[in-house]
Amino acid sequence: DSGVTQTPKHLITATGQRVTLRCSPRSGDLSVYWYQQSLDQGLQFLIQYYNGEERAKGNILERFSAQQFPDLHSELNLSSLELGDSALYFCASALGWDYTDTQYFGPGTRLTVL
Amino acid sequence: EDQVTQSPEALRLQEGESSSLNCSYTVSGLRGLFWYRQDPGKGPEFLFTLYSAGEEKEKERLKATLTKKESFLHITAPKPEDSATYLCAVQGNTGFQKLVFGTGTRLLVSP
Repeated sequence: DSGVTQTPKHLITATGQRVTLRCSPRSGDLSVYWYQQSLDQGLQFLIQYYNGEERAKGNILERFSAQQFPDLHSELNLSSLELGDSALYFCASALGWDYTDTQYFGPGTRLTVL
Repeated sequence: EDQVTQSPEALRLQEGESSSLNCSYTVSGLRGLFWYRQDPGKGPEFLFTLYSAGEEKEKERLKATLTKKESFLHITAPKPEDSATYLCAVQGNTGFQKLVFGTGTRLLVSP
């Protein structure tokens, strides 16, 4: 158990809908990273927050957004969902903001868009 | 652009049969190379970080090594519980500095 929690575990929704994924980092960690993992592309970095502020963006679509709250939990919002958004979404947390800080991954949310 | 290629894509071993997984990388200045283990339907689990060529790290039956162009994950006398997908990731020291992951090697160890 990494200490990172994610909810929900599974999410099934329809095209065009909007969903929110939630992540609680390990105690003491200030950074939260979001990743998308699909069968054909592997793990793709989406976005990083550090202590409530957006720090870095990766391959995140404009239909996706995220935020980190004062209690350091983070939410990833996915809107206008398309079939291709079906994937596993992971968050990871780390102590600091540097990418060489070890990232600890949560169990993931499996999103299915029908 | 930073790139990571892992080989083989899949590997089947008998229990006790040692082998190595390869991670070849292209990066503009390596800040760190990371190995993770991922079980089906679960999040990646951190194994090792390597920072410079010649560095080696060990954990139980696993040993990671690093050269200037590739890293190897050596598995000695594997057991069925070592079955998982092993992911390699690199972080470069220019531009965005995000972690770039390979697509992994699926390892199956049969009793």
